[in-house]
Amino acid sequence: AQRVTQPEKLLSVFKGAPVELKCNYSYSGSPELFWYVQYSRQRLQLLLRHISRESIKGFTADLNKGETSFHLKKPFAQEEDSAMYYCALSTLNSGGSNYKLTFGKGTLLTVNP
Amino acid sequence: DVKVTQSSRYLVKRTGEKVFLECVQDMDHENMFWYRQDPGLGLRLIYFSYDVKMKEKGDIPEGYSVSREKKERFSLILESASTNQTSMYLCASSLRERILRANTIYFGEGSWLTVV
Repeated sequence: AQRVTQPEKLLSVFKGAPVELKCNYSYSGSPELFWYVQYSRQRLQLLLRHISRESIKGFTADLNKGETSFHLKKPFAQEEDSAMYYCALSTLNSGGSNYKLTFGKGTLLTVNP
Repeated sequence: DVKVTQSSRYLVKRTGEKVFLECVQDMDHENMFWYRQDPGLGLRLIYFSYDVKMKEKGDIPEGYSVSREKKERFSLILESASTNQTSMYLCASSLRERILRANTIYFGEGSWLTVV
């Protein structure tokens, strides 16, 4: 069965420090992975997806199939990065006809001044 | 801009009541989803639907049912609310995009349900 693991519930760093939010997955198929972010009092929104190989708000994430990981990184954290971050895996439903997202439990990132 | 609207932001219901949570999206998306969000547990999929009148169980469907009579509307029903269903409920929608796969899901603002 598919699974997404985010080992850290809480992560606290100082402004300007590098940050890495860990995500590991388990899936027998070809993975499609995403990072979603939820800022305080805002709706959950897509941050980035591995297929796009993009950098959003200074964040990047590389899919490592050998280590089954999709860690989110930023070289210099900012206070406005404080939020809840969810790693998500797109998987086929049981009938094989459509896709759904399976989420990890989330990591609350706090960037201190 | 995609809009997913959950009509009730905050509800307080009594144990045993029947509860309806409504969700409407305005982007002609085929897929719609209901998740619950709990601290330390993340988002867990309750039900999803990829077409009108179609539904599929997610990871935690027990105690819930859904209805999709129109493409834009997806309702979550708690037949007999219990205190362990106190939670934040998130509705979401997406295009089917089976070929591309890299579909993104758009979320509503959430409905806080408290069952007393």
